[in-house]
Amino acid sequence: GAGVSQSPRYKVAKRGQDVALRCDPISGHVSLFWYQQALGQGPEFLTYFQNEAQLDKSGLPSDRFFAERPEGSVSTLKIQRTQQEDSAVYLCASSPIGPSSSLAPEQFFGPGTRLTVL
Amino acid sequence: AQSVTQLDSHVSVSEGTPVLLRCNYSSSYSPSLFWYVQHPNKGLQLLLKYTSAATLVKGINGFEAEFKKSETSFHLTKPSAHMSDAAEYFCVVSPNDYKLSFGAGTTVTVRA
Repeated sequence: GAGVSQSPRYKVAKRGQDVALRCDPISGHVSLFWYQQALGQGPEFLTYFQNEAQLDKSGLPSDRFFAERPEGSVSTLKIQRTQQEDSAVYLCASSPIGPSSSLAPEQFFGPGTRLTVL
Repeated sequence: AQSVTQLDSHVSVSEGTPVLLRCNYSSSYSPSLFWYVQHPNKGLQLLLKYTSAATLVKGINGFEAEFKKSETSFHLTKPSAHMSDAAEYFCVVSPNDYKLSFGAGTTVTVRA
């Protein structure tokens, strides 16, 4: 079956440009997550949605970062006025259940979008 | 705060020999722990997870990990490495049942 898909796979932006990264989660998955993975590092949590509600945005590095999931399925991560330090792979993950479970659910990851800011 | 430390940034093994990837965690209570694998240009894939059931956890592709509370460790092992095991491996802790906190990763290379 279809997994998590992300587009574009690669994005090159000039410093100061705005970018939008798309995530299509697995159909029916309640939870959606965004992570940022810098070169040579592990992914770091950015934000979490349960359906259309953004329940945790504590990992967003600045107010230039904005995420939305208006209909509870597709999500977009937007970065305004990109800076060189925003260069990273942005990973999206989805999960079939929400945080009401006492067990940490498996998160299914997409291939990521590699953003390069020149 | 919960975190993990992967003790080796790079591990090189010969095909057919055992693999050991070391991970220590810090947690104020019993955590959920995971190992994920990342092949080049592919998404992260769950290898196995520990959620306070059996301390020895078996995963996919012959991998297993043992949770040792006394040592705060969750090391990943495989008896016999295969060329397809060459990848980046991440030890992960979940501090609040949804947010994942990743280690820095261990790169595994397999020599023929």
